[in-house]
Amino acid sequence: GENVEQHPSTLSVQEGDSAVIKCTYSDSASNYFPWYKQELGKGPQLIIDIRSNVGEKKDQRIAVTLNKTAKHFSLHITETQPEDSAVYFCAAWGYQKVTFGIGTKLQVIP
Amino acid sequence: DGGITQSPKYLFRKEGQNVTLSCEQNLNHDAMYWYRQDPGQGLRLIYYSQIVNDFQKGDIAEGYSVSREKKESFPLTVTSAQKNPTAFYLCASSPGLNTEAFFGQGTRLTVV
Repeated sequence: GENVEQHPSTLSVQEGDSAVIKCTYSDSASNYFPWYKQELGKGPQLIIDIRSNVGEKKDQRIAVTLNKTAKHFSLHITETQPEDSAVYFCAAWGYQKVTFGIGTKLQVIP
Repeated sequence: DGGITQSPKYLFRKEGQNVTLSCEQNLNHDAMYWYRQDPGQGLRLIYYSQIVNDFQKGDIAEGYSVSREKKESFPLTVTSAQKNPTAFYLCASSPGLNTEAFFGQGTRLTVV
């Protein structure tokens, strides 16, 4: 089955700096890679996603890059703000189901 | 409003009792999922269902059971056979494979 590794597990940045979270996956057939943000006590919400026919996708301060050859994808948040503080999960769709990384706790320090 | 609803938000049970967590969606999604979340372990798949009256075991199905009698409902029963049931449980739905999954707000189960 699919295996998704995510790092770092925790990340602290100063407000205004950039944050990068990296994930690798094992199943070369995976072709859909969503990223979720989870605030304390709530369910995860999709913030951006990318499909395997695209190398990069951007939505305002958030961008995702995908390297299919290396089987890794990354989330980039620029100009971080305190409200970006949350747990972020990467995920990869393998055969019939999605597998999540263990999550990255991002803390943005004002 | 369309969405996915889990109830209750907090649930307490005594050890040895079965308990059922509710998950309802009005998004007309075919697929539904149950995840368990523990600190430092991310989201682990318990069961999933891609169509009514059919479901599959996930990675940690032991001690759990589900049913999918209606498209909009996918209840999860935590049985007394589950050795460590205290956790945060998340239900999700999606239109199909390789599509965005929408999550409920979760149920925090505490077994004492």
